[in-house]
Amino acid sequence: GDSVTQMEGPVTLSEEAFLTINCTYTATGYPSLFWYVQYPGEGLQLLLKATKADDKGSNKGFEATYRKETTSFHLEKGSVQVSDSAVYFCALSDGGGANSKLTFGKGITLSVRP
Amino acid sequence: EAGVAQSPRYKIIEKRQSVAFWCNPISGHATLYWYQQILGQGPKLLIQFQNNGVVDDSQLPKDRFSAERLKGVDSTLKIQPAKLEDSAVYLCASSSVAGDQYFGPGTRLLVL
Repeated sequence: GDSVTQMEGPVTLSEEAFLTINCTYTATGYPSLFWYVQYPGEGLQLLLKATKADDKGSNKGFEATYRKETTSFHLEKGSVQVSDSAVYFCALSDGGGANSKLTFGKGITLSVRP
Repeated sequence: EAGVAQSPRYKIIEKRQSVAFWCNPISGHATLYWYQQILGQGPKLLIQFQNNGVVDDSQLPKDRFSAERLKGVDSTLKIQPAKLEDSAVYLCASSSVAGDQYFGPGTRLLVL
């Protein structure tokens, strides 16, 4: 079945450091790929997405590129802020329409020090 | 636009007791999802509704979990009887057909 693998955490960075969070996936067909963020005490929020190979999703300074050849969707940000401290989940959707469902990775906790 | 609403936010019960969670999706969203998020793991889909019909409940432990969405709007998830391993955050999400999923704040359940 479909699966998502995220790098082991947690990750601790200093403010303004460069961030990379690795994500690889296994799926049949052509899934859509997502990054969700969960701030402390809150629900998941969609951060960015890409629906086909070579698409780049971007939002709030974060970027991720859908790499079909390496089955990856790594999340990057050039300069992290304390406010980026949260749990980040990579996910895939097995298809569009009414039967679409999300498969999530385990998530990784990011802590940014001032 | 109001987001997905869930209640209660927190619940503590003893094992073998029953508990119910409520979710009100974003207005107009036909699809509603319930996920279970165990500490340290990603959310796992329990059940998916399209209007008031079940699309996927393959991961729902049907011997103790039940869910309904009678009028195709809000939904209730019930656990009876609860086990220790049911301690988790229960997330509700909704989407329009073929749209992105929007999540509620979750209900944190602790079973003692």
